[in-house]
Amino acid sequence: QVQLVQSGAEVKKPGASVKVSCKASGYTFTGYYMHWVRQAPGQGLEWMGRINPNSGGTNYAQKFQGRVTMTRDTSISTAYMELSRLRSDDTAVYYCARDRRITVTTYYFDYWGQGTLVTVSS
Amino acid sequence: QSVLTQPPSVSGAPGQRVTISCTGSSSNIGAGYDVHWYQQLPGTAPKLLIYGNSNRPSGVPDRFSGSKSGTSASLAITGLQAEDEADYYCQSYDSSLSGSCVFGTGTKVTVL
Repeated sequence: QVQLVQSGAEVKKPGASVKVSCKASGYTFTGYYMHWVRQAPGQGLEWMGRINPNSGGTNYAQKFQGRVTMTRDTSISTAYMELSRLRSDDTAVYYCARDRRITVTTYYFDYWGQGTLVTVSS
Repeated sequence: QSVLTQPPSVSGAPGQRVTISCTGSSSNIGAGYDVHWYQQLPGTAPKLLIYGNSNRPSGVPDRFSGSKSGTSASLAITGLQAEDEADYYCQSYDSSLSGSCVFGTGTKVTVL
C-alpha cells in the first residue's frame, strides 16, 4: 500500500532554515511527481511546488521562489523540502502529496503524508 | 492567496443535502481545467474525494458527487452524516500563475 511518511515536528528561530523529509513506499518513487502543500493554523491549503523524482526537475510557486528548495534521494525513495529565511508566518503544517497526473494541466493528489508541524518562534 | 472562492461554511441536518460551490475565473475553471475535491477531517491530512470534476476514488461513498459548469464547480453531499463534518477544498490548474496549482479557500461543513 502507498505510504508517505514525513519527518517530525520542528521548532526554528526566525531567519533559520528547515528541511522536511517525505519517505515514500508501496510504489515506484520515480514514477510520480511529489508536491508540497502547507497549511497555516486555522487556514487553508497553499501549494508550494513540486519535484519530478525521476529527473530532479522542480517547479515552485512564485511566492516561494528563492526561499524553497525541493530535492530527492532516489536511493531511499525520499523527497525533501527546505525552506530558508524562516519568518513567523511560515508556521504551518507542511504536507507532501503524490501527484496523480492525467495530463500536464490535469493532476490531483491521491496520497498525502501525515504532515509536519514547523513552528517559527524566537 | 487562493484564486478559487468557496463559502466559509455550510450546514445541514443529518440526512439532508448540502452543496459547496467553488468559483474561479477564465484562467482556471473557466478555461476548462478539471476540478478536484478533498475532505480534511479535524487534525488529519486532506483526503482525495472527487477527481476530474465528478469521479469518485474507490472507497468514497456515492453520497458525494461533483459537477462543473462555466467558471464554477460544485460538491454535493446527499444523506448528510455526522462523519461528514469536515473541511472541504477544491483544487484546479491556473494558466496565469507560474505555480499552476490552486486551491479553494475551503468550506467547513457542520452537521447540525
